[in-house]
Amino acid sequence: EDKVVQSPLSLVVHEGDTVTLNCSYEVTNFRSLLWYKQEKKAPTFLFMLTSSGIEKKSGRLSSILDKKELFSILNITATQTGDSAIYLCAVVYSSNTGKLIFGQGTTLQVKP
Amino acid sequence: GAGVSQSPSNKVTEKGKDVELRCDPISGHTALYWYRQSLGQGLEFLIYFQGNSAPDKSGLPSDRFSAERTGGSVSTLTIQRTQQEDSAVYLCASSLEREGADTQYFGPGTRLTVL
Repeated sequence: EDKVVQSPLSLVVHEGDTVTLNCSYEVTNFRSLLWYKQEKKAPTFLFMLTSSGIEKKSGRLSSILDKKELFSILNITATQTGDSAIYLCAVVYSSNTGKLIFGQGTTLQVKP
Repeated sequence: GAGVSQSPSNKVTEKGKDVELRCDPISGHTALYWYRQSLGQGLEFLIYFQGNSAPDKSGLPSDRFSAERTGGSVSTLTIQRTQQEDSAVYLCASSLEREGADTQYFGPGTRLTVL
C-alpha cells in the first residue's frame, strides 16, 4: 500500500532554533514530492522536489530529496513564531491523475 | 479570482441530511481535486477532475459521495444522508494541468460538522 510517513508528528521549539522535519515514502510510480505549510485552513505551497540531491531554498526554509532512500527533509533555520503551523508532505503519482498522497503532517510550535 | 474559493466556510447539519459543498478554482486551471482532512489526520484524496470529466474517483469513501464539475470551472461535492464520520474539513485544489504543473493550489476549505 502506498504511504507517506512524516516525523515527528509534533515539535515544540524556541525562536532561533533550527528544525528538521522528515518525510519518508513508499509509493509506486513516484513523480514528485511536495511540501506545504498549513496555518489555518488552506495549505500553502512551499517546495516541489523531483530530482535527488538538489536543494531547494526559500529564505530560511530549504528542502532536499533522496530518491534512493525514499525520503525528504525540510529544514527551517532561525525559527520564528510565524513558522508555527502544520507542515505537510505529499507525493505525486506518475499516473493518469495528479492526485497527492499526504503524510499525517508535523505540527510545529515555535515559542517566543 | 486571486485564488481557489470554497463555500460555505462552515456547515453544520443533522445526521441524515444532504449537503452540497462548492469550489471555484483559479481561473484557467483545468485540473480540480477534492480532499478531506479529518481531525488530526493528513489530507485524503477524494476525486480528480480534468475539465468536466472525472478520470479518478477512487477516493470517494462511499456511494453517498458524488461530485460534478460544469463548464470546466465550478465543482460541487455532494454528500447524501450525512453521517457523523463525514465530519471533516473538505478542501478543494486546482492546478493548471495534470502534466504540466504538479503544484496544486488549495482553497480555504469547508468545515463540515454532522450532529
